[in-house]
Amino acid sequence: GNSVTQMEGPVTLSEEAFLTINCTYTATGYPSLFWYVQYPGEGLQLLLKATKADDKGSNKGFEATYRKETTSFHLEKGSVQVSDSAVYFCALSPPGAGSYQLTFGKGTKLSVIP
Amino acid sequence: DGGITQSPKYLFRKEGQNVTLSCEQNLNHDAMYWYRQDPGQGLRLIYYSQIVNDFQKGDIAEGYSVSREKKESFPLTVTSAQKNPTAFYLCASSIGRGGGQPQHFGDGTRLSIL
Repeated sequence: GNSVTQMEGPVTLSEEAFLTINCTYTATGYPSLFWYVQYPGEGLQLLLKATKADDKGSNKGFEATYRKETTSFHLEKGSVQVSDSAVYFCALSPPGAGSYQLTFGKGTKLSVIP
Repeated sequence: DGGITQSPKYLFRKEGQNVTLSCEQNLNHDAMYWYRQDPGQGLRLIYYSQIVNDFQKGDIAEGYSVSREKKESFPLTVTSAQKNPTAFYLCASSIGRGGGQPQHFGDGTRLSIL
């Protein structure tokens, strides 16, 4: 079956530090990959996505590259801010016209301190 | 603005009581979903619906029921058969079938036992 594995949290960084949150997946074929962010007390917001190998998704200074050879989709940001404190979820959607479901990782909590 | 509205934000259930969580979307999306979120466990799919008058069980459907009588509405009932209902419930929608379609989330309902 499909699965997503994220690095365990929580992650605590100082403001302006470099961020990497690792995400690896198991799936048949070429799934679509997503990063979602959840701020305290809110639902999930789509942060970025990639739909094929070597695609790079980017948004709000965050980036992730779809690496088929390592089945990875690591999230990076060059300089984090206090406002980036949230829980980050990696997710995949299987390929094909009948695909509806997302498989989520367990989430990684990020805290950025001034 | 288009989006997903969940209500209420907080809900309390007594022993033996059924409660219904509301989810409404004005995005004209065909597919809708219900997830349960517990600390450290990520999101787990309860039910999903691809079109009006049709829905499918997800990974943890026992003790829950849904209906899809209108395209924009997908209410979730937590029945008395659900012995551990305390969780954060998230509703989502997507434009339809096909890999690569992101899901859009509401702000959630937090359910607790009295």
